[in-house]
Amino acid sequence: QKEVEQNSGPLSVPEGAIASLNCTYSDRGSQSFFWYRQYSGKSPELIMSIYSNGDKEDGRFTAQLNKASQYVSLLIRDSQPSDSATYLCAVNMVPPTSGTYKYIFGTGTRLKVLA
Amino acid sequence: KAGVTQTPRYLIKTRGQQVTLSCSPISGHRSVSWYQQTPGQGLQFLFEYFSETQRNKGNFPGRFSGRQFSNSRSEMNVSTLELGDSALYLCASSLASTGMDGYTFGSGTRLTVV
Repeated sequence: QKEVEQNSGPLSVPEGAIASLNCTYSDRGSQSFFWYRQYSGKSPELIMSIYSNGDKEDGRFTAQLNKASQYVSLLIRDSQPSDSATYLCAVNMVPPTSGTYKYIFGTGTRLKVLA
Repeated sequence: KAGVTQTPRYLIKTRGQQVTLSCSPISGHRSVSWYQQTPGQGLQFLFEYFSETQRNKGNFPGRFSGRQFSNSRSEMNVSTLELGDSALYLCASSLASTGMDGYTFGSGTRLTVV
């Protein structure tokens, strides 16, 4: 089982719709969670971070975290063609046995917003 | 405020050669991490430096090494290059040592080994 899993997509949504991106992680000791956006040929850019259970909203983006179920999701409201990119989930975990943190990225979900 | 600067942007090397990549973090950031990105494997963690000390290392062979200088600039070295080392190498900096505040990435160095 991968430590951070994402569906590779592509996820296609029409312009104006809500895009829902999901990520699961394996380590219950995980402490912080991040979403990055990567346009083709560019480097990843941090768009959201979330640290506690529940929702966190920032503009059109909402991150949702459920530690009991070990998943984190990103909702993009009113999707625009400019949102078409690969979305990477990253998890910061500090296993109690080692004390050495690991910052692990999923392989990303490609989102296509159709005009 | 200047972002994370990586040099060079592109490199073509021959198998068996070695290469050094450079990264200058955002001013004030003391944590620098390196990642290898390939289409098949995604972002793979290489190592992280904080205040000139290697804090964490990924599962890469010893041919991959790095260091950080007192001004937080970091270099990554790959010796005895193999074709499979062809990838985009990304450097990322953060304020916190564990990436708790998230990373800012540089534009990357595209390495091609022929």
